[in-house]
Amino acid sequence: AQTVTQSQPEMSVQEAETVTLSCTYDTSESDYYLFWYKQPPSRQMILVIRQEAYKQQNATENRFSVNFQKAAKSFSLKISDSQLGDAAMYFCAYRRTIYGGSQGNLIFGKGTKLSVKP
Amino acid sequence: DARVTQTPRHKVTEMGQEVTMRCQPILGHNTVFWYRQTMMQGLELLAYFRNRAPLDDSGMPKDRFSAEMPDATLATLKIQPSEPRDSAVYFCASGLRRDRGLRYGVNEQFFGPGTRLTVL
Repeated sequence: AQTVTQSQPEMSVQEAETVTLSCTYDTSESDYYLFWYKQPPSRQMILVIRQEAYKQQNATENRFSVNFQKAAKSFSLKISDSQLGDAAMYFCAYRRTIYGGSQGNLIFGKGTKLSVKP
Repeated sequence: DARVTQTPRHKVTEMGQEVTMRCQPILGHNTVFWYRQTMMQGLELLAYFRNRAPLDDSGMPKDRFSAEMPDATLATLKIQPSEPRDSAVYFCASGLRRDRGLRYGVNEQFFGPGTRLTVL
């Protein structure tokens, strides 16, 4: 069974600085997707960034980028120029790529609470 | 602006009562997921549907939980009878299963705002 581990329950960053959130996962699959979701106090789950395992290039979305290390099964999120609005819980998630099969659910880590100091 | 809607947003009930949560997926999406979020267990899949048919409900306690999709615009999650340990936030998410060559899957799931359930 696949598992996702976020080893940092809480992180803190100064406004305008850079922070990296860690995520490791365990799978025997070779093809899959990885995601980072943001959950602010409103509880809404917001997709931040997505990485396809077969792509070697790291995904980027504006101030958010990932460091995807497939061999190490590591998928960290870097937030540059941190803003007060970035304060939230961040969840790393894994999804298999199924060849004609039925599963499509996300497997989540426990989350990292990010605080941004003004 | 298409979004997943869930009702109610908050529900407080007493142990033993029936609870029904509703979800309206994004129009055109063919896959619906129900997740539960608790402090102890984090986010867990309860069930999911494709084209209204249940594909996986292994995460759901069968004796008290039931999930259905009466039509393509409505998914329901029912708990009967409810227990204090059911207190959690219940999320519905929807997505579109795409075929891309030999690679299948729902590449992005859009989450609703969640239903916060408290069972006293």
